[in-house]
Amino acid sequence: QQPVQSPQAVILREGEDAVINCSSSKALYSVHWYRQKHGEAPVFLMILLKGGEQKGHDKISASFNEKKQQSSLYLTASQLSYSGTYFCGTESTGNQFYFGTGTSLTVIP
Amino acid sequence: NAGVTQTPKFQVLKTGQSMTLQCAQDMNHNSMYWYRQDPGMGLRLIYYSASEGTTDKGEVPNGYNVSRLNKREFSLRLESAAPSQTSVYFCASSETRGQGEQYFGPGTRLTVT
Repeated sequence: QQPVQSPQAVILREGEDAVINCSSSKALYSVHWYRQKHGEAPVFLMILLKGGEQKGHDKISASFNEKKQQSSLYLTASQLSYSGTYFCGTESTGNQFYFGTGTSLTVIP
Repeated sequence: NAGVTQTPKFQVLKTGQSMTLQCAQDMNHNSMYWYRQDPGMGLRLIYYSASEGTTDKGEVPNGYNVSRLNKREFSLRLESAAPSQTSVYFCASSETRGQGEQYFGPGTRLTVT
């Protein structure tokens, strides 16, 4: 029931792009994305609702493919501040909500 | 406006001891959650309260109890702590269950020896 994220870890140089994927075996109503920096609490990035549009702010955006039960997070022209662990959270039938296992992103100069 | 607050920040318990983790939010949210975070396991839901007066089990409820004291406060109790409960515990709240952005507290780092 826990969504599967890929890759588990990625290292980027500043300015490079990255894609993080989140996949569920269940039909989804919404997908959340959070970022957690080391030793801190997770912080909300965005939510994508079934039937909604692709979202984004600044150079981080996400898409939601309802038919494939998948979501992808796109980080463009990465900055050092993007480093952290990214979690997707998925809502499915019966009000079930689960976080994925996370993707560690490290941006180096 | 403090958001979500948790106490204590750190705690060391001996096996068999009990304790209560406190959580409060000042955003008038209906839903509140308790998660545990272990290395490589992500965030796993222990219990949640969709609205005041209701509580439900999450993925990993064994060994825990919760109380939704009022709309603001949601506590997590370990009746007889075990080393397997060593973890970082996060409380979170959202306006509604599932679709709402979740706001997290700073976490409690618990070690059971």
